[in-house]
Parts: sequence; structure tokens; C-alpha cells
Amino acid sequence: DAKTTQPNSMESNEEEPVHLPCNHSTISGTDYIHWYRQLPSQGPEYVIHGLTSNVNNRMASLAIAEDRKSSTLILHRATLRDAAVYYCILSPNYGGSQGNLIFGKGTKLSVKP
Amino acid sequence: SQTIHQWPATLVQPVGSPLSLECTVEGTSNPNLYWYRQAAGRGLQLLFYSVGIGQISSEVPQNLSASRPQDRQFILSSKKLLLSDSGFYLCAWSSPRQEKSYEQYFGPGTRLTVT
Repeated sequence: DAKTTQPNSMESNEEEPVHLPCNHSTISGTDYIHWYRQLPSQGPEYVIHGLTSNVNNRMASLAIAEDRKSSTLILHRATLRDAAVYYCILSPNYGGSQGNLIFGKGTKLSVKP
Repeated sequence: SQTIHQWPATLVQPVGSPLSLECTVEGTSNPNLYWYRQAAGRGLQLLFYSVGIGQISSEVPQNLSASRPQDRQFILSSKKLLLSDSGFYLCAWSSPRQEKSYEQYFGPGTRLTVT
């Protein structure tokens, strides 16, 4: 399975934008890029996913490099509730429907008031 | 809307005792179902997944087993717990449609402590 590399931790100030990077240099042409986050003592929460084009939803934006070897999750205005571990995950699209996710260690985001 | 339930929320069990954790999903049919474990200070590890009743795939060999007796019920079991089985157990579901199968929705989790 293709692997991802994320910083162990990042800090942000409340109400400022946050850019969470993810490197995936061995990504294949059909791998999707998914982002999940996990708040303390809770299960992970789906954030966003994309393939080639940048994606926006109510939670965040996903910027994907043209060569797809890296991506950035953008939180436009960080709040204290965004403090969590953020996981960048690649998933193959080879026709299977089981949707197995392989979680790495993620980036622990701290938000300062 | 869809909801996912897990129980119990917390559990303390002695080494060698049996285990049964239950997960149920409401508001969807034929979901993919998953069991994950998160040991203290570590990432999530996929244990089992199921694409239908009676269909279980194991990702990691261990003393745990899973069963899916009904479409929206997923059970994690063990005959004899080990200390290393302690952790945060999470159940998740996703749509069986290929394009949505990686969008998983997690339950509240069961925190298991084996003493």
C-alpha cells in the first residue's frame, strides 16, 4: 500500500488558517487521498477526499499538487474544536468495495486561543 | 439518517475472560462494517471488515474473532483475553457503493482494559 508522511505535530492560533501537509510520493494513478480527524477520546471523523482536483466542503479544503505527490488540508479559520489528530490516507480504487483504510500516526494539531 | 451504536462504552475484564463487543447500524442497508483497535498512544489498526452477512475478513491474526449475524450487526469476540487486548475498540460503517466505501463513519468506541 502507498504510504503517507505527515509532521508529528503542528500548532495554530485560533481564527487563523491552518495548512496541514501530507507527502505521498509513491501514490499510484488511481489512489484517492482521504483526510480524517480524531478528536480526543472519540472515533475518527471523515473530513474530505479527492483524486486530482482541489476539493472544498463545509469542513475544509483539499489542495492536491499537480504531480499528486503531496496534498494539503486547509482549515480556513481554526477553532479550538479543530484540535485533533489529522490523518492523511491513500486508498486504492481497484474495483473493490470493502473500503479498507490504513491509518498512520497523523499530525496532532494544537490550537491556541 | 444513519447512526451507529456500540456497547458497552467502557469495560474492565480480567485476563483469560471472554469478550463480546456489539455494534449496530441504523438507517442503511447492506453496509460495509469494520472493527478497529487503537492501543494507548498508537494509531488505529484495522482488525476485521465485512461486506455482508457471514462474510468476515481478518486483517491481523490474533485471539479475536468477528461475526455478522445480521445485516446491521457486527460483533467482536474473544474466548480468552490477553493484557495486550487492552485498547479503544471502534466500529465503523460505510456504503457498499464503491465510490463511497472509503467514507467511513465511526461509532463512539469501547474502551477495554484487561487487568
